[in-house]
Amino acid sequence: QVQLVQSGAELKKPGASVKVSCKASGYTFTSHGISWVRQAPRQGLEWMGWISASNGYTIYAQRFQGRVTMTTDAPTSTAYMELRSLRSDDTAVYYCARDPGTTMILPEGLMDVWGKGTTVTVSS
Amino acid sequence: DIVMTQSPDSLAVPLGERATISCKSSQSLLYTSTNKNYLAWYQQKPGHPPKLLFYWASTRESGVPDRFSGSGSGTDFTLTISSLQAEDVAFYYCQQYYTSRALTFGGGTKVEIK
Repeated sequence: QVQLVQSGAELKKPGASVKVSCKASGYTFTSHGISWVRQAPRQGLEWMGWISASNGYTIYAQRFQGRVTMTTDAPTSTAYMELRSLRSDDTAVYYCARDPGTTMILPEGLMDVWGKGTTVTVSS
Repeated sequence: DIVMTQSPDSLAVPLGERATISCKSSQSLLYTSTNKNYLAWYQQKPGHPPKLLFYWASTRESGVPDRFSGSGSGTDFTLTISSLQAEDVAFYYCQQYYTSRALTFGGGTKVEIK
């Protein structure tokens, strides 16, 4: 079945970076993009950006521009999200989600399959 | 960015009764060339990731019970649970994908049993 398996929880100090992985299976990885969404404790959902798994084209939410990098590795069907210069308010669960769209430079914008989430805690 | 506003923040409904959630967008989500509303609904149970329920405002995702329905157009949308079941206790989020370069979610609505 289609699934996204994310890496384990991370504890980071302020100013550090974190890189979360998302391994896809059950579908052709390069046929769909991946969105990243985060959820701070007891808060709602916040879209961080999208990457085409076909050509690596990225679209980042404005508030994360310059601080986030999304990449993919097609041979291992894995997507990555790196967030730098971490602050305490970056403490959140980070989700990857498949976009069912098939265009290479623009997300369809839906998220039909989700990973279970990776908890990132930023604390000194 | 398009702002999505949900109401109420929470609601408690007796088992078997109707639950209704509103979602309003700061601009129309109706794309005239396709005549489709770029609005999705997600359900999130505690400790779990969100689950896609509806897209195009009213198209039910496979496997979603038909007691759930989505409606609305333009800037005003509604998610209705016709007969609330215990397993429906969750947060519900609307999301616009009209501007696919800047996806935004509503603040969420918590549904509980009264």
